Amino acid sequence: EIVLTQSPGTLSLSPGERATLSCRASQTVGNNYLAWYQQKPGQAPRLVIDDASRRASGVPDRFSGSGSGTDFTLTISRLEPEDFAVYYCQQCATPPLTFGGGTKVEVK
Amino acid sequence: ELQLVQSGGGVVQPGGSLRLSCAVSGFTFGDYAMHWVRQAPGKGLEWVSLITGDGSSTFYADSVKGRFTISRDNSKNSLYLQMKSLRTEDTAFYYCAKASGWTADHWGPGTLVTVSS
Repeated sequence: EIVLTQSPGTLSLSPGERATLSCRASQTVGNNYLAWYQQKPGQAPRLVIDDASRRASGVPDRFSGSGSGTDFTLTISRLEPEDFAVYYCQQCATPPLTFGGGTKVEVK
Repeated sequence: ELQLVQSGGGVVQPGGSLRLSCAVSGFTFGDYAMHWVRQAPGKGLEWVSLITGDGSSTFYADSVKGRFTISRDNSKNSLYLQMKSLRTEDTAFYYCAKASGWTADHWGPGTLVTVSS
């Protein structure tokens, strides 16, 4: 099983600041099939990034994904009020398709 | 418009059974794999199971293997999760999700399963 470790657990930032979220895998994620999801309280998750770097439909271009192999990053260039949420990474290459523990981006 | 409508959640005693359903519309159901993902209250996401578009292959998390069964009826545009021998630690919101490749690109609203005596 591929274990995903997200850091930090909580990121306290102000609107307009840059957010950098990390997801590290215990072994190589095949074909970089790494996704990022955003979840707000009381809502289902929403796909943000697919295949490590491809923005999902309707996702603003301030969101970007990068990385390969075992180290992946989600960057939000300038935080908008609606971006404060919990973000999860998931490896979609090798069953079981594990999630990371999440990073909460909160208002400082 | 793509829609996933979930049903079947509720309260069940430990050791009991429950079947969740996910009725979909707005896409060609049989062309896509489908997921079940769960989230215990206040906790993170846990992948549960995936079934391929034709139903020929299924995959499970170790925590539910042998107790849960994923299935689909492509003629009814419906996905199911049969849960048996339920434990208190199975208490969670359960989400169905459409897969693109194996990425969950559209999610249902979730249904709460509570396992309690």
